Amino acid sequence: DAGVIQSPRHEVTEMGQEVTLRCKPISGHDYLFWYRQTMMRGLELLIYFNNNVPIDDSGMPEDRFSAKMPNASFSTLKIQPSEPRDSAVYFCASSWAGATGRGYTFGSGTRLTVV
Amino acid sequence: QQQVKQSPQSLIVQKGGISIINCAYENTAFDYFPWYQQFPGKGPALLIAIRPDVSEKKEGRFTISFNKSAKQFSLHIMDSQPGDSATYFCAASRSGSARQLTFGSGTQLTVLP
Repeated sequence: DAGVIQSPRHEVTEMGQEVTLRCKPISGHDYLFWYRQTMMRGLELLIYFNNNVPIDDSGMPEDRFSAKMPNASFSTLKIQPSEPRDSAVYFCASSWAGATGRGYTFGSGTRLTVV
Repeated sequence: QQQVKQSPQSLIVQKGGISIINCAYENTAFDYFPWYQQFPGKGPALLIAIRPDVSEKKEGRFTISFNKSAKQFSLHIMDSQPGDSATYFCAASRSGSARQLTFGSGTQLTVLP
C-alpha cells in the first residue's frame, strides 16, 4: 500500500483565494482525520470521518473551512477565502477500527502558505 | 480533561546517551498511549504504544514507562543515535472515543554525533 497520499505537497496562495487540499486514505481504513500543525498550537484535530460521514467538526476553526469525503478513497479540505493565519502544515490521517494498535497512519502533509 | 502535557519542549543528547521525554494526562478514561516520531517534511509515524494494564513496554531501544497512579508516561530512548533526531509526540485516547487521539505539544530531540 502506498500509504496516505496527500496533494499538493506545497501550496502558496494569495489571501482571499480558495484552497483545496486532497487526501487519499489507505484502502480499507474507515476513519479519516484532518489535522493542522503549527509551531504555536501543535497538532490540532480539525475534523474526522467514519465511513465517509463527518463525525466531529468541532475543531474546524471557522466557516471558511469545510471538508468532504464523497467516497471511501477521497477527502478534501477547503478553505475559502484563505487568510495568512491559515498558513500551516495540514495532515490527513487514516485508521482502521479493527486495528488492535489503534494507530493512525499520517500522510506527508500539505504545507500551505497564504501571502 | 482532554489535555496531554508533554515536556521538555526540546532536548539535546550526546550520541549513546539516554533520551527521556515525559507526558502527563488528566482524563482517567484514557486507555491507549502511543508515541509518534516525526522527521522534517514528514507526517508523524507511530513509534510505540502502551495500554494501562502494563507498566512498561520495550521495543528495541525504545521503552515506554507507564505510571497509572501518577497519570504519567514517558519515552526512553536508549543508546540515542543521530538518526533519532526528530520531533516526538505523545498521545492518548479512550475506548468509545471513535479513535480520536489527543496529542502532546511535541519534543524536538537532537542527538549530537
